[in-house]
Amino acid sequence: DAKTTQPPSMDCAEGRAANLPCNHSTISGNEYVYWYRQIHSQGPQYIIHGLKNNETNEMASLIITEDRKSSTLILPHATLRDTAVYYCIVRVHNQGGKLIFGQGTELSVKP
Amino acid sequence: EPEVTQTPSHQVTQMGQEVILRCVPISNHLYFYWYRQILGQKVEFLVSFYNNEISEKSEIFDDQFSVERPDGSNFTLKIRSTKLEDSAMYFCASSEDRIYGYTFGSGTRLTVV
Repeated sequence: DAKTTQPPSMDCAEGRAANLPCNHSTISGNEYVYWYRQIHSQGPQYIIHGLKNNETNEMASLIITEDRKSSTLILPHATLRDTAVYYCIVRVHNQGGKLIFGQGTELSVKP
Repeated sequence: EPEVTQTPSHQVTQMGQEVILRCVPISNHLYFYWYRQILGQKVEFLVSFYNNEISEKSEIFDDQFSVERPDGSNFTLKIRSTKLEDSAMYFCASSEDRIYGYTFGSGTRLTVV
């Protein structure tokens, strides 16, 4: 699975958009980009995933560059409850299914 | 919203004892996983399970570990002879297929003393 690079930490003001970047320059054509988050010591929570096109759901938007070497997770109106560690993971969907978690980005949403 | 349920939430055991961590995945999910997270460290993959057999396992998942789906609802992780370094949060997860995201449980905190 391709390696990802994320900033270790970011701050965001409550109510503003949080834009979390991820670099995956060695991504293969059949690898998906997944985002998960972990609030405190809870189990990781799935947010969104995509292959080539931008994706949006009720939690977030995922913007993938045309060359697929990087992506951005957007939380449109961050709240204090969005404070968490955010993980960007790339993997091939037809393998056993393991996720390789990196260190992620620790997002702090401040009032 | 459907949940993955893990029991117990916290278990303390003596070194050398056997422990069984239990999970009830989401009912229509077909793929099951165990992960662990040692305090302050990354979430680590242990094993994936599909069609009543292990589909992939990590180097951590040695002969001391085993998984089982004894009935249609439970998915268990057994550690035969616990070591101090097995102390961690253990997360169970399930997914409908290999593309969709997983749903993780809230974890079992295992403390080996």
